[in-house]
Amino acid sequence: QKEVEQNSGPLSVPEGAIASLNCTYSDRGSQSFFWYRQYSGKSPELIMFIYSNGDKEDGRFTAQLNKASQYVSLLIRDSQPSDSATYLCAVNSGNQFYFGTGTSLTVIP
Amino acid sequence: EAQVTQNPRYLITVTGKKLTVTCSQNMNHEYMSWYRQDPGLGLRQIYYSMNVEVTDKGDVPEGYKVSRKEKRNFPLILESPSPNQTSLYFCASSFLSGIADTQYFGPGTRLTVL
Repeated sequence: QKEVEQNSGPLSVPEGAIASLNCTYSDRGSQSFFWYRQYSGKSPELIMFIYSNGDKEDGRFTAQLNKASQYVSLLIRDSQPSDSATYLCAVNSGNQFYFGTGTSLTVIP
Repeated sequence: EAQVTQNPRYLITVTGKKLTVTCSQNMNHEYMSWYRQDPGLGLRQIYYSMNVEVTDKGDVPEGYKVSRKEKRNFPLILESPSPNQTSLYFCASSFLSGIADTQYFGPGTRLTVL
């Protein structure tokens, strides 16, 4: 069974702070890694993906991948109340996608 | 507008009554997939399709059927629904399932089986 693990939270950070979200995965053959944001009652929407070791930055978001440690993270800089949502880590392995259960983030004004 | 549509958005039914949830995408995507989302279990892949007439089981296929007769449509069929299939269902599509192919999700179908 291929697993993707996330700390369910809830994670609370003050507005303007950095939020750090973590994810580990079990399948070493996993090829690409995605972070989705999901607001309550809505569908997941992509924040960013990463497939090479290291950091990838997109605006206030930075994804970090360490394949040796089977670890992927998402940093959100200058957190805003509108970032309050559940963040889903997803892994592509072969032709399938595996999702973590999500981390609930609350940004306090 | 590029989108994935699902119908119905909400459905309450009874055990054993066959139902179909439709999914359609207008992005000419090759890859389509169905997920169910349950509290504490996250999103789990039910079935996926790499192309027309090509479908494969995901992690939780029991009790579900799919078909891919046209590229744009990927209906989910529950031939004899049971209460444990009460869930939030999402259809998703992408160009392929490759290394950088992101999935676009439909709005979701909330199904209750009594």
